[in-house]
Amino acid sequence: QKEVEQNSGPLSVPEGAIASLNCTYSDRGSQSFFWYRQYSGKSPELIMFIYSNGDKEDGRFTAQLNKASQYVSLLIRDSQPSDSATYLCARGGGGGSEKLVFGKGTKLTVNP
Amino acid sequence: KAGVTQTPRYLIKTRGQQVTLSCSPISGHRSVSWYQQTPGQGLQFLFEYFSETQRNKGNFPGRFSGRQFSNSRSEMNVSTLELGDSALYLCASSSFDIMETQYFGPGTRLLVL
Repeated sequence: QKEVEQNSGPLSVPEGAIASLNCTYSDRGSQSFFWYRQYSGKSPELIMFIYSNGDKEDGRFTAQLNKASQYVSLLIRDSQPSDSATYLCARGGGGGSEKLVFGKGTKLTVNP
Repeated sequence: KAGVTQTPRYLIKTRGQQVTLSCSPISGHRSVSWYQQTPGQGLQFLFEYFSETQRNKGNFPGRFSGRQFSNSRSEMNVSTLELGDSALYLCASSSFDIMETQYFGPGTRLLVL
């Protein structure tokens, strides 16, 4: 079982819709989770991090963490064509390590 | 603050050669991690340095090595290049102010012919 799994997509939504991106992880000891956005040909850009169960909102983005079910999700409200990118879910390495373990990413396309 | 910088941005090498990539972290960040990104394997962790010490290493052969200098700048070296080493190599720096939050540089795109 891969450590971090994402629905591979691609995911296509119309402009203005809510995009829902999901991620599951296998290590129950994981404490921190991150969402990165990567445009084609660019490096990953941090969107949000979440440590606690529940929701965390930042503008149009909401991260949700459920440690009991071992899943993390990212909701993008009022999706814009500029949100079209690959979204990477990652978990922290824990134990003082800065290592991140990434999923393979979900490609999102927002259609005008 | 200036972001993470990486040099060179693009590199073409032939099999058997070696390559050295450089990374300068965000000012004040003491932890530097390196990742390899390929279409097939995604983002994979190579190694992590903090205060000139390697703290963690991914599952890569010994041809991949790195080091960190006293000013937190880091280099990674790949010896005896193979075709499969063609990838985007990303450096990320982090500060312990926000645990494990890493900021990536623009990457070095390596093509091995």
